[in-house]
Amino acid sequence: EVQLVQSGAEVKKPGESLKISCKGSGYSFTSYWIGWVRQMPGKGLEWMGIIYPGDSDTRYSPSFQGQVTISADKSISTAYLQWSSLKASDTAMYYCARLAVGIDYWGQGTLVTVSS
Amino acid sequence: DIQMTQSPSSLSASVGDRVTITCRASQGIRNDLGWYQQKPGKAPKRLIYAASSLQSGVPSRFSGSGSGTEFTLTISSLQPEDFATYYCLQHNSYPPMYTFGQGTKLEIK
Repeated sequence: EVQLVQSGAEVKKPGESLKISCKGSGYSFTSYWIGWVRQMPGKGLEWMGIIYPGDSDTRYSPSFQGQVTISADKSISTAYLQWSSLKASDTAMYYCARLAVGIDYWGQGTLVTVSS
Repeated sequence: DIQMTQSPSSLSASVGDRVTITCRASQGIRNDLGWYQQKPGKAPKRLIYAASSLQSGVPSRFSGSGSGTEFTLTISSLQPEDFATYYCLQHNSYPPMYTFGQGTKLEIK
């Protein structure tokens, strides 16, 4: 069974760093792109960026370039999304997703709350 | 970049109604479009892929059509569990930098 399991909810202060994770199982992790999607409170889905764990090829949407870093460790079938300095506007739910004919599997989401 | 314009942004309907949601792509995307349903507090769920193929386990009252730049999602007879937000997603790009529509919130009239 294909699963993407994300790390738990986080509460952080502005300026802090954060790295959230997405662990894939039940399939060849290195053979599918993983995407990250942001959903701000009460808003729609936004495409942040993608990574191909097989060779770590990474792309970012213009709105997120320079704001986050996407990475992966194929030895443990895990993708990451990280911030070096969080802002209140980063408060959102973040989803990872397996990309196959669109998105076929989603993680359960990680809620990130940034508040002083 | 491919832009997706989804309409309407919200829709009020009654149980048993037939509803249609539309997505328009800024350039031709063949049939590389999916439809997703999201309920509050949950991850989205795929309903339709490749514009018109029904995801396994999804009720047959959901259907998709279109190709090129115009796509529709139709729910033939609304059920109480269908009240949710719906998104289209174009997956024509490679590398797969996809684009969502803005979403349609389907509410009970």
